[in-house]
Amino acid sequence: GNSVTQMEGPVTLSEEAFLTINCTYTATGYPSLFWYVQYPGEGLQLLLKATKADDKGSNKGFEATYRKETTSFHLEKGSVQVSDSAVYFCARSLGANSKLTFGKGITLSVRP
Amino acid sequence: EAGVAQSPRYKIIEKRQSVAFWCNPISGHATLYWYQQILGQGPKLLIQFQNNGVVDDSQLPKDRFSAERLKGVDSTLKIQPAKLEDSAVYLCASSLEGAQFFGPGTRLTVL
Repeated sequence: GNSVTQMEGPVTLSEEAFLTINCTYTATGYPSLFWYVQYPGEGLQLLLKATKADDKGSNKGFEATYRKETTSFHLEKGSVQVSDSAVYFCARSLGANSKLTFGKGITLSVRP
Repeated sequence: EAGVAQSPRYKIIEKRQSVAFWCNPISGHATLYWYQQILGQGPKLLIQFQNNGVVDDSQLPKDRFSAERLKGVDSTLKIQPAKLEDSAVYLCASSLEGAQFFGPGTRLTVL
């Protein structure tokens, strides 16, 4: 079926550490892929997106590359900050105005 | 540009009671979505509107949930009667083309 799988959490890192959060998807066709972030006490915010294979989305130092051959969209950041502590959701959609299918989300905590 | 507005932010009710949530999407966004986010899970679509028409309500428990978007702008989601398992955050989102923008959500607790 169509789904999004994220690595199990939570993840705790020290400030300035390298971050990778894995995400894989299954889908027929060519989905668009997204990362959303939910900071404590706030709503879901779009972090970055990619709409076709080999596209790289980037924002706030975060990057993710749409890998069709491995059906993955892993999120990376070279040096995390305490302010990056949040819940991160990977999601996919099958069209411009299609519903989003989300992964379970992963909680990231960054220690000073 | 104002974001997606939702109210109330929090609601506590007893099981078998009724509750309604309101959403005002970003101006000009034709597509509106209601998602349910149970604690520890990602949001799941309940219903999608295109203007005032329903595009997808396949995951909406229609025996107790209903939603409308009569004038193609604001939308309300109702639960009647509520069950314990309806405790969740109800998220409204809107889109014009591409990415969806979410409101702050309504946290519902059913006792």
